[in-house]
Amino acid sequence: KAGVTQTPRYLIKTRGQQVTLSCSPISGHRSVSWYQQTPGQGLQFLFEYFSETQRNKGNFPGRFSGRQFSNSRSEMNVSTLELGDSALYLCASSLVAGKHEQFFGPGTRLTVL
Amino acid sequence: DQQVKQNSPSLSVQEGRISILNCDYTNSMFDYFLWYKKYPAEGPTFLISISSIKDKNEDGRFTVFLNKSAKHLSLHIVPSQPGDSAVYFCAARSTNAGKSTFGDGTTLTVKP
Repeated sequence: KAGVTQTPRYLIKTRGQQVTLSCSPISGHRSVSWYQQTPGQGLQFLFEYFSETQRNKGNFPGRFSGRQFSNSRSEMNVSTLELGDSALYLCASSLVAGKHEQFFGPGTRLTVL
Repeated sequence: DQQVKQNSPSLSVQEGRISILNCDYTNSMFDYFLWYKKYPAEGPTFLISISSIKDKNEDGRFTVFLNKSAKHLSLHIVPSQPGDSAVYFCAARSTNAGKSTFGDGTTLTVKP
């Protein structure tokens, strides 16, 4: 069974631009969560989607948004990029919402110049 | 307020010895705890977990201990192997919240 895939793996943007990251969960998994990891920091929770509905949201500004499609694939969007948005963005899937063990993708490394 | 803390940023042990990674939490609502391992350029990989109704869970060389009164958990790796060298993240969840709160990670180096 294929793992969680994220595209693109690397991205370079400039301040003020917007970016869309994509995540395909493990086949059959219906819950997708997004995390941000910055150097020296743990993983900061962004949001969780299940059945195309956002179930939980972390403490991030409204510039960060996401959505989930009927096939469980998810996208994350960041508008008006700031230098501090440079980070590794990780997507994790689980079978259902609230299932404790999550399976992570390799992440998208975003660099904002 | 950081609800999950891993106070040791790094740990170095000799191959064959025990590695003990520690994690403290503050939120009493957490009822499930997980450890993930992360290699460079990869996403975290689930390692082992424990429910708050237990105080110990073992899986091969990995054992997690939970001390609810102290709000402390630890991961023991015995014996440690060079391939265990990675960043280890502690995570906590409350069943109703549906999200994981992670610590900052501990970098484990196992020397041959």
